[in-house]
Amino acid sequence: ETGVTQTPRHLVMGMTNKKSLKCEQHLGHNAMYWYKQSAKKPLELMFVYSLEERVENNSVPSRFSPECPNSSHLFLHLHTLQPEDSALYLCASSQGMNTGELFFGEGSRLTVL
Amino acid sequence: AQTVTQSQPEMSVQEAETVTLSCTYDTSENNYYLFWYKQPPSRQMILVIRQEAYKQQNATENRFSVNFQKAAKSFSLKISDSQLGDTAMYFCARRSVNTGKLIFGQGTTLQVKP
Repeated sequence: ETGVTQTPRHLVMGMTNKKSLKCEQHLGHNAMYWYKQSAKKPLELMFVYSLEERVENNSVPSRFSPECPNSSHLFLHLHTLQPEDSALYLCASSQGMNTGELFFGEGSRLTVL
Repeated sequence: AQTVTQSQPEMSVQEAETVTLSCTYDTSENNYYLFWYKQPPSRQMILVIRQEAYKQQNATENRFSVNFQKAAKSFSLKISDSQLGDTAMYFCARRSVNTGKLIFGQGTTLQVKP
């Protein structure tokens, strides 16, 4: 079992669909993150949760809605997305908020038609 | 702005040779962490090496080492004895101790040729 697991690995959705991305970490960490990775752009931090509370919302459009029901699970709910939202969405976790490295999942490749 | 810059979008190296990837950053903080991450094609991003800014000694992990120049705000990665499995995109990143934010550079795609 890998440390950070993301499902689905690939998702194709229309602009009117509602879908969710799921992330699960098995490392006992207390902070979880969503990043967006687009071609030829730096990774963009979207959301940060620490101890299940959202501590960062980096000016992300409301069509992205995160949820962290417990310290091991993180969701990203998607609705009425735009084609420019097509990207690789990476989940990560860390022990603590200020030091140490992040551990990443393999990502969910999202295509919006 | 607190930025991380990788000026080499693409690089290539022959197998068994040495290659250096560049990274510079901008910060007004004195204490922070620096990282190099590796993302192989269609695979998970993994940590290659980390450096605490308060440590003067350069970090080393097997064939990977860094040249950390704090005054110049430079953090380059040297890969010795390059292997085909080193082919990947490499990201430099800086984490603020104060805010916890991890900021990434644009990445350098490294191709190791046989």
